[in-house]
Amino acid sequence: DIQMTQSPSSLSASVGDRVTITCRASQSISNFLSWYQQKPEKAPNLLIEDASSLQSGVPSRFSGSGSGTDFTLTISSLQPEDFATYYCQQSYTAPLTFGGGTKVEIK
Amino acid sequence: QVQLVESGGGVVQPGGSLRLCCATSGFTFSTYGIHWVRQAPGKGLEWVAFSRSDGSTTYYADSVRGRFTLSRDISKNTLNLQMNSLKSEDAAVYYCTKGTSTDDYSLHFWGQGTLVTVSS
Repeated sequence: DIQMTQSPSSLSASVGDRVTITCRASQSISNFLSWYQQKPEKAPNLLIEDASSLQSGVPSRFSGSGSGTDFTLTISSLQPEDFATYYCQQSYTAPLTFGGGTKVEIK
Repeated sequence: QVQLVESGGGVVQPGGSLRLCCATSGFTFSTYGIHWVRQAPGKGLEWVAFSRSDGSTTYYADSVRGRFTLSRDISKNTLNLQMNSLKSEDAAVYYCTKGTSTDDYSLHFWGQGTLVTVSS
């Protein structure tokens, strides 16, 4: 199985900060990488697929990059509604695997 | 619009069984693969199983293989997850989810989830 290692596991940031979350795959997954945002008691919401393709309706302050084994999710200017937990997921092969999550909290 | 609605969760004793249902609408059920993903209380996301669009090909996580079984009811547009020999570590919110292409591994649409509690 492909292991997904996400870091950091949590971070504290202020509104307006630039935030970067990284995800590393245990083997090359090309660009088959998705990012999700999850708020408490809610289902995850897909933000980005194929490493950098922003989903319709997702604010442009979110961006994704990377290929092979190393990937990044960046929030250019953190907004109050962005405080949530973020997960990466490889969509290269079954079994699908997720990173452990990054909880973004208010500083 | 695409809708996925899970049902069937509840409290079950260790070793017991439960059948979850994912009722779908807003798309042609027989042409899409559907996944189950679970989340234990306070924990991260774990992929559980996948039913391909062909209706006969299934994949399971190692943690549930041999205990969980997927089945499709095309007449009702539902995907069922039969869970047997339940363990405490199976306690979680179970989501059904799908992508936008036939057997997509990016998960665009999610249900609201159904809670499974395994406790004596």
